[in-house]
Amino acid sequence: GAVVSQHPSWVICKSGTSVKIECRSLDFQATTMFWYRQFPKQSLMLMATSNEGSKATYEQGVEKDKFLINHASLTLSTLTVTSAHPEDSSFYICSASGSAEGGNEQFFGPGTRLTVL
Amino acid sequence: GQNIDQPTEMTATEGAIVQINCTYQTSGFNGLFWYQQHAGEAPTFLSYNVLDGLEEKGRFSSFLSRSKGYSYLLLKELQMKDSASYLCAPQDSNYQLIWGAGTKLIIKP
Repeated sequence: GAVVSQHPSWVICKSGTSVKIECRSLDFQATTMFWYRQFPKQSLMLMATSNEGSKATYEQGVEKDKFLINHASLTLSTLTVTSAHPEDSSFYICSASGSAEGGNEQFFGPGTRLTVL
Repeated sequence: GQNIDQPTEMTATEGAIVQINCTYQTSGFNGLFWYQQHAGEAPTFLSYNVLDGLEEKGRFSSFLSRSKGYSYLLLKELQMKDSASYLCAPQDSNYQLIWGAGTKLIIKP
């Protein structure tokens, strides 16, 4: 199946710093990438949807100036958490969907665990 | 509104069969996915149904009834490694996945 990678797999940072998370589709072109956040024992929460070359569409309640998303190519999207605070500590997961196998299936990356001290 | 209804938790015995039910309401429908998620990991794809009926894939099968807004995931010959959360995720008219909290499946020896 299609492979999506995320980097880093975990990160610990100080409050007020910014953190960048990369999401790459390794063997297919991802026309759409999705960013999710998941708190312990809760469901996945969609943060934003991004299409290559255009601005991301953010879900209600997600601050676009705090969570910067860039989808510069068909294989790479980045999420930058700016001025991170402890309440931003969560499991961030990206997924990618493209014209490759699976039709509209979303292929998930392994996730990035962010801890803000 | 859009919502997903699955049991919060189920327990089954190693080697047995378990059926996880899911009812859903979405704005439009473009298929339904089942994902498996182990604690601390991202979801992994199990199955996709867009037409009514049963899709079989090894030990896992998934059923869909669009008219009833109902799906189930059937797991056979349960193994300890099947202990995980199982997420039913229908896709709405915008092809967005709608997520519930999932069903935590506990397998006992």
